[in-house]
Amino acid sequence: AQSVTQLDSQVPVFEEAPVELRCNYSSSVSVYLFWYVQYPNQGLQLLLKYLSGSTLVKGINGFEAEFNKSQTSFHLRKPSVHISDTAEYFCAVKGGSEKLVFGKGTKLTVNP
Amino acid sequence: EPEVTQTPSHQVTQMGQEVILRCVPISNHLYFYWYRQILGQKVEFLVSFYNNEISEKSEIFDDQFSVERPDGSNFTLKIRSTKLEDSAMYFCASSVWARNTEAFFGQGTRLTVV
Repeated sequence: AQSVTQLDSQVPVFEEAPVELRCNYSSSVSVYLFWYVQYPNQGLQLLLKYLSGSTLVKGINGFEAEFNKSQTSFHLRKPSVHISDTAEYFCAVKGGSEKLVFGKGTKLTVNP
Repeated sequence: EPEVTQTPSHQVTQMGQEVILRCVPISNHLYFYWYRQILGQKVEFLVSFYNNEISEKSEIFDDQFSVERPDGSNFTLKIRSTKLEDSAMYFCASSVWARNTEAFFGQGTRLTVV
């Protein structure tokens, strides 16, 4: 079985500051990793994914994440955030089955 | 851009009533899913559906739940006799394949059981 831990439930930052949202996972099999974003009153939108290949993956809106197998992490980063990045971010893993296992989410609040 | 659409966006129902949540997956996708998110909790997997049958389901997906693809485009989740604890946001998703592809999610249906 897989599990995902998002260590920070809330992250406040100022506009144009860098941000890192942390995600760790556990799995006994190889995994595929995803970050989804949920803007207020909207559904889940795929931000980026790691399926294979380069461990540094780039997504939409300037976000990127790095898969670290030895540390079982998939942290999300953005060098300079905007007010419009305020949302909830979910890390998810897919292992030996079809289902996605989600973390509890991190609420990113970008302040002016 | 193709998207998963869900209707209704919000449904209020009385305890014990049956509800049907509807979804139109992306047209060339083969795998369909339902997830739910109880307020303040994680997004949880309910069921996956492929080739007109359930391929995987969670412990949450008991006999009160059923899924159906009644025609070539719709995918439905039925809750037979709703309970207060069924109140949640229900997300439909679809993907081209099962494992090494991403799932695309709809906007969700907020179900409130009173």
